[in-house]
Amino acid sequence: EAGVAQSPRYKIIEKRQSVAFWCNPISGHATLYWYQQILGQGPKLLIQFQNNGVVDDSQLPKDRFSAERLKGVDSTLKIQPAKLEDSAVYLCASSHPSWDTQYFGPGTRLTVL
Amino acid sequence: AQSVSQHNHHVILSEAASLELGCNYSYGGTVNLFWYVQYPGQHLQLLLKYFSGDPLVKGIKGFEAEFIKSKFSFNLRKPSVQWSDTAEYFCAVNEGNNDMRFGAGTRLTVKP
Repeated sequence: EAGVAQSPRYKIIEKRQSVAFWCNPISGHATLYWYQQILGQGPKLLIQFQNNGVVDDSQLPKDRFSAERLKGVDSTLKIQPAKLEDSAVYLCASSHPSWDTQYFGPGTRLTVL
Repeated sequence: AQSVSQHNHHVILSEAASLELGCNYSYGGTVNLFWYVQYPGQHLQLLLKYFSGDPLVKGIKGFEAEFIKSKFSFNLRKPSVQWSDTAEYFCAVNEGNNDMRFGAGTRLTVKP
């Protein structure tokens, strides 16, 4: 069974630029999550999708972050414009059912200069 | 606010020593509890989980955790650690089907 795929693995941008991350969950997993993991901290949930609907985006900074999952499969997370404090690893995870084990991708390490 | 606390930031042990990593949470209702591990250069992966039933849960690689409801705790244990257990360990809690919260993590270093 293929795992959660993410790209790119690394990204370096300058502040005020925009960036997008892509995630492909495990086949058949209806629930998809995006997390932000700042160095030295645990993952923080940004947004949770159930199929193509948003379940929880209470911790997503909506003035600069957006995410979509148009066909209930792949998802993209965008930051526009980026700030220095957005430097982190962005993790995608999927699960089925939603309350059970989450399977994580390798993450995208973002550095904002 | 709902939170998950891991007491130790960095633990250093020698091989064959016993391990206990603390985890406390502040949720008041029914919770699902998880321990995830991240080995160097690898993805986060599940070590063990508790949903209901026997509060002593056994996971992979000889790890176990005990849910003590009265103490809001879910501590991770292993009787004898190995060098290959060197990793970062995260406790996580959710209520129902969303709002997964992770602790800050405990970095375990096992000296050979």
